[in-house]
Amino acid sequence: AQKITQTQPGMFVQEKEAVTLDCTYDTSDQSYGLFWYKQPSSGEMIFLIYQGSYDEQNATEGRYSLNFQKARKSANLVISASQLGDSAMYFCAMREGKNYGQNFVFGPGTRLSVLP
Amino acid sequence: DTGVSQDPRHKITKRGQNVTFRCDPISEHNRLYWYRQTLGQGPEFLTYFQNEAQLEKSRLLSDRFSAERPKGSFSTLEIQRTEQGDSAMYLCASSHYTGMGETQYFGPGTRLLVL
Repeated sequence: AQKITQTQPGMFVQEKEAVTLDCTYDTSDQSYGLFWYKQPSSGEMIFLIYQGSYDEQNATEGRYSLNFQKARKSANLVISASQLGDSAMYFCAMREGKNYGQNFVFGPGTRLSVLP
Repeated sequence: DTGVSQDPRHKITKRGQNVTFRCDPISEHNRLYWYRQTLGQGPEFLTYFQNEAQLEKSRLLSDRFSAERPKGSFSTLEIQRTEQGDSAMYLCASSHYTGMGETQYFGPGTRLLVL
C-alpha cells in the first residue's frame, strides 16, 4: 500500500492565485511528521514546511501553509499568491517510527505550473 | 556556503565498475540520509546514520550498496559491480535531530549513469 498519495500528477494555477496540492498518508504510528519539499528543474530539494502529528495548529511558513486534517490523514499544501518561481515539482513526505528505525517516505510528487 | 555538499555531481561509469560518492553534511548535524531518485519519481530512502551509527537500511538496498560515516561527519556511499538499473540521482540530506521534529536539508545530488 502507498504510504503517501499525491493524486494530482500536474496542476496549473494563474499567477497571484492560491493553489492547494493534495497529500494523503497512511500510518499506524501515533507520532509522525509530515513535510513538503519543492524541487525545481535544477534538481535541488528545498524544504518548505513541517507538521508534527501532535501539533494542534496548522503549520505556516510565509506563503505556504499546511492544511492538516489528522482524522482524514491528509496534509495538503496551500500556496497563496502564486509566483512564476513556484513552478516546480512538489513532494509530500512522512517520517514515521520511533527514535531509531525511523523511515522517511516520499510521495510521487505533483508538478505545479504557474501561468502568467 | 555551509549547506550539504556532494561530490562528484556527475558520474558516468561502465557496468560492473565500482563507484563511490561523498556527502558532507551541514556542520554539527547529527543525522545523515541517503536517497535515490529516478526520473519522475520521488526520492527513495536508502539508509541513514545518527552520528557514526547506521540505524536503518532499506530492504530495497542490495548488498552491492554500502555506506559509511566513520567519524560522524562526512559519509560515503559505495556501489559495487554497478548495473544499468543503478542509474539515478543519489541525494544526501542532513538534519539536527533533538528528539522532537527534524528537518532534512538536501545536497545537490550526484547523478550516476551506468553504461
